[in-house]
Amino acid sequence: DAKTTQPNSMESNEEEPVHLPCNHSTISGTDYIHWYRQLPSQGPEYVIHGLTSNVNNRMASLAIAEDRKSSTLILHRATLRDAAVYYCILRQMDSSYKLIFGSGTRLLVRP
Amino acid sequence: GAVVSQHPSWVICKSGTSVKIECRSLDFQATTMFWYRQFPKQSLMLMATSNEGSKATYEQGVEKDKFLINHASLTLSTLTVTSAHPEDSSFYICSASGLADVSYEQYFGPGTRLTVT
Repeated sequence: DAKTTQPNSMESNEEEPVHLPCNHSTISGTDYIHWYRQLPSQGPEYVIHGLTSNVNNRMASLAIAEDRKSSTLILHRATLRDAAVYYCILRQMDSSYKLIFGSGTRLLVRP
Repeated sequence: GAVVSQHPSWVICKSGTSVKIECRSLDFQATTMFWYRQFPKQSLMLMATSNEGSKATYEQGVEKDKFLINHASLTLSTLTVTSAHPEDSSFYICSASGLADVSYEQYFGPGTRLTVT
């Protein structure tokens, strides 16, 4: 399974933008980049995904490097409820649809 | 969005007993369900993939005779931890993918915390 590398933790101030980086230098042409987040004592929650182009949804934006070897999840205005562990995952478009979680980035939001 | 439920949300059992955890997709049909385990301060570890009507596929190192998975319908999968021991205490999470899910999004349940005494 293709591997991702994320910082262990990041801090942000409330209402400021947050840029969460992810490196995936071994990504293959058909791997989708998925982001999930997990709040304490809850199951993960889907955030966003993309293949080549930048993506926006109501929760976040995903910026994908031109060579696809890295990506950045952007939270435009962090709130205290955004404090969570964020996982960047490469998902292979085979029949298994498996998600293999790495260690993720723990985001701390300061009021 | 799609909802996945788990029951129970927490359970305490004695060593040597078996525990069954249910995972249900409430408003969609799930051809594939996944079971994860998460120890404190660690990431999720995929245990197995189950497809409706067929045997589960277990990840390397997961004992299939200890963690019995049944996916008898498109809305229900169960995980039975047989002869549980204290080291099986963990947070068990299921997820589901729908039939024609072009977004390939997985929907996760809220998790079941198992404590074996």
